Amino acid sequence: GESVGLHLPTLSVQEGDNSIINCAYSNSASDYFIWYKQESGKGPQFIIDIRSNMDKRQGQRVTVLLNKTVKHLSLQIAATQPGDSAVYFCAENMGGGFKTIFGAGTRLFVKA
Amino acid sequence: EPEVTQTPSHQVTQMGQEVILRCVPISNHLYFYWYRQILGQKVEFLVSFYNNEISEKSEIFDDQFSVERPDGSNFTLKIRSTKLEDSAMYFCASRGQPTDTQYFGPGTRLTVL
Repeated sequence: GESVGLHLPTLSVQEGDNSIINCAYSNSASDYFIWYKQESGKGPQFIIDIRSNMDKRQGQRVTVLLNKTVKHLSLQIAATQPGDSAVYFCAENMGGGFKTIFGAGTRLFVKA
Repeated sequence: EPEVTQTPSHQVTQMGQEVILRCVPISNHLYFYWYRQILGQKVEFLVSFYNNEISEKSEIFDDQFSVERPDGSNFTLKIRSTKLEDSAMYFCASRGQPTDTQYFGPGTRLTVL
């Protein structure tokens, strides 16, 4: 079936610590994965993406890891800041980019 | 920086009424999407649109839903006869190429009474 899910619905971290948000996907045919950040009352905002021919990609303070063997995706946020508090969704692309399936979301709380 | 815009920001309607949600995608984008998000839940794919036709649609996108690109700038989602369970945030998104990043609009909150 088509499903992308998250292991932890909420994550609370101390400011300055690193955060890791995990995601499991089920469709082996998906070839493109994205992490989105959603703040209250706003639309999803692109954070970082990775294609299936890669296992790691780094951005500014964020790293995405892809393990195709176990169909697992993770988002690492370095030196988490209060502004990182939001809901984070993983998503997978299928159908040649015409269909994007979102996971359930993890709420990240950053304690000052 | 170009952005996707949506109107209205909030739409209240009576059950059984028709609503049209409007989106203006980023100007040089060719692929358009609608998603919905019921309060507290995940974002759900509804439909994708390219070259003036639907590319993919989910099981949510039944005969009550339709999409249209009436001119060179707008992309609309119509719900013919709204139901209570249609109450949600509706997000429009666009991208330039199928492997590019999707950019989301701020959403329209639809409340069906």
